[in-house]
Amino acid sequence: NAGVTQTPKFQVLKTGQSMTLQCAQDMNHNSMYWYRQDPGMGLRLIYYSASEGTTDKGEVPNGYNVSRLNKREFSLRLESAAPSQTSVYFCASSAGQAGNQPQHFGDGTRLSIL
Amino acid sequence: SQQGEEDPQALSIQEGENATMNCSYKTSINNLQWYRQNSGRGLVHLILIRSNEREKHSGRLRVTLDTSKKSSSLLITASRAADTASYFCATDNSGYSTLTFGKGTMLLVSP
Repeated sequence: NAGVTQTPKFQVLKTGQSMTLQCAQDMNHNSMYWYRQDPGMGLRLIYYSASEGTTDKGEVPNGYNVSRLNKREFSLRLESAAPSQTSVYFCASSAGQAGNQPQHFGDGTRLSIL
Repeated sequence: SQQGEEDPQALSIQEGENATMNCSYKTSINNLQWYRQNSGRGLVHLILIRSNEREKHSGRLRVTLDTSKKSSSLLITASRAADTASYFCATDNSGYSTLTFGKGTMLLVSP
């Protein structure tokens, strides 16, 4: 059972470039999430999708866009990368609402922006 | 903004000892969760405790919740080197739809 799969695992970008981080889950979960993790900051929510067809902003959405492509897939796009977006990005999913259900995490995408 | 704050930031113990980590939060919650993160990996869910529960056990883990003090603790008994990881508490918002994570406690268990 793969769980939550994130691609790529590592990426280096130049300032101003764009890219899409991919996330897929095979647990038939309704809700999916994108977080960023910075040293000393814990995890911060960027965007989430409570169910297929819906997306909502989290704590730090500026500079990002998301697409819930179908129930399995939730992508995160950086339109014009900035050095401040250097971080580790985690995708997670849960069967239902986050507060009531455990979240299952992928192993992250390590993104450096020069 | 951070809802939960873990204490201590770092903890170093010997194998076989118990490890206690604390989490304090600011606003009322419905549920509180604890997660573990091994170096270079994603977070793994450990335990969920509801606001009407005071204590919960899972194997060598014991979680307590004191809603009057807005705090929770995670106790790992008889620690092993494999318990070396960062531990995070997470609280839900009033609508249940998202979690807010603390900054974590780094636990080092030495053989």
